[in-house]
Formats: sequence, C-alpha cells, structure tokens
Amino acid sequence: DIQMTQSPSSLSASVGDRVTITCRASEDTHKSVAWYQQKPGKAPKFLLYATSRLGSGVPSRFTGSGSGTEYTLTVNTLQSEDSATYYCQQYYHYPRTFGQGTKVEIK
Amino acid sequence: EVQLVESGGDLVQPGESLRLSCAVSGFTVSSNYVNWVRQAPGKGLEWLSVTYINGAADYADSVKGRFTVSRDNSRNTLFLQMNSLTTEDTAVYYCARGDGFFDYWGQGTLVIVSS
Repeated sequence: DIQMTQSPSSLSASVGDRVTITCRASEDTHKSVAWYQQKPGKAPKFLLYATSRLGSGVPSRFTGSGSGTEYTLTVNTLQSEDSATYYCQQYYHYPRTFGQGTKVEIK
Repeated sequence: EVQLVESGGDLVQPGESLRLSCAVSGFTVSSNYVNWVRQAPGKGLEWLSVTYINGAADYADSVKGRFTVSRDNSRNTLFLQMNSLTTEDTAVYYCARGDGFFDYWGQGTLVIVSS
C-alpha cells in the first residue's frame, strides 16, 4: 500500500497568512493526489485533484503543487473559515490511502 | 443536485452484523464508482471499498471477507453489509462518489460496536 505522510500534524496561523501543508508518498503517485477539508462533525469536502486542479466552487486561494512523492497544499491569504483539518489522498493505486491529517487553527 | 445519504448506523455488540445504506440522487449509481470510507472517533480517513460501474467491488484488507457491498439500481442505492463486527469497526461511515478522488460525500452514519 502507498503510505501518505502529512506534515505538520497541526499548525496555527493568522488571518491573511499563507500556510503550506506537505504530503509525502511512499512511492511515486504520478500526480494522482487529491486534497480534502474537514470541519468538526462534518463530512470531508473535496478541494483539489490531480495535484493542482481545483474542485468546482473551491476558492482560488487554495493551490496545489508537486510531483513524484512530494505534494503540497497552500492556502494563500488564510481566512477564518479555513480553520479545519486537511487530508491528502493518493488515487494512483488501490487501496486508496489518506494522509493522517493536518489541523489548521486560526490564531 | 448531487446527494448521498447514508443510514443504518447503530449500536451493536461485537460479533454482530449491520447493513448500511447509501441513497443517491443527482447521479446514477450504475454509471459511477461509489466508495465507502470510514473515520474512527478522533482519527483520520480510511478507504474501505469501491463499487465499479459493472457492479464488481474491491475492498481494503482490513474489511475483506467481512464486509460486502451491493447495489440496487432500481432504488439508486448502495449497501454495505458488515459482518463479524469488532470494536475496531466503531466509526462514522461515509459513502462518496468517485473513480480515484471523491468529489461528493454523504453526511455519514455512526456505527458503534460495544458490549
């Protein structure tokens, strides 16, 4: 199975900051990486696919990049509503696997 | 509008069985891949299974042989039959659409396995 390791596990940032979350895969996932946002008590919300392509209706302050085994999600100009846990996911191979999550808190 | 609605979650004892449902609207289950994903309390997301367009399915090793997915095309609904449940299966269970990434999710249904 492909292991997805996110870092950091949590971070605290201020409104207006830029935050970056990294996801490292145990093998090349050929850019088949998606990102999700989850708020407490809610289902995950789809953000990006194919490393950098935005889901429908997702604000453009969310950007993704990467290749091979290293991928990043960047939230430019952090907003208060971005307080959530973020997960990466690979879909290059079955079983689909997720990172362990990064909790983003607003200072 | 795409909607997935899970139901059937309950409190059961170890060793018992439970069947979850995922009622879909806004797309046709027979023309899409639909997955089950679970989240144990305070933990991350774990992919469990996918139902392919042809009705076949794949499973995570953690549930293979215990969980079985099925589909009722006439009701546009998927089911997750869970047998031999253990306390490790306590989680919120989500169904989600997607071949690869998951663009639509249900709200989840809670399964508690406890004696």
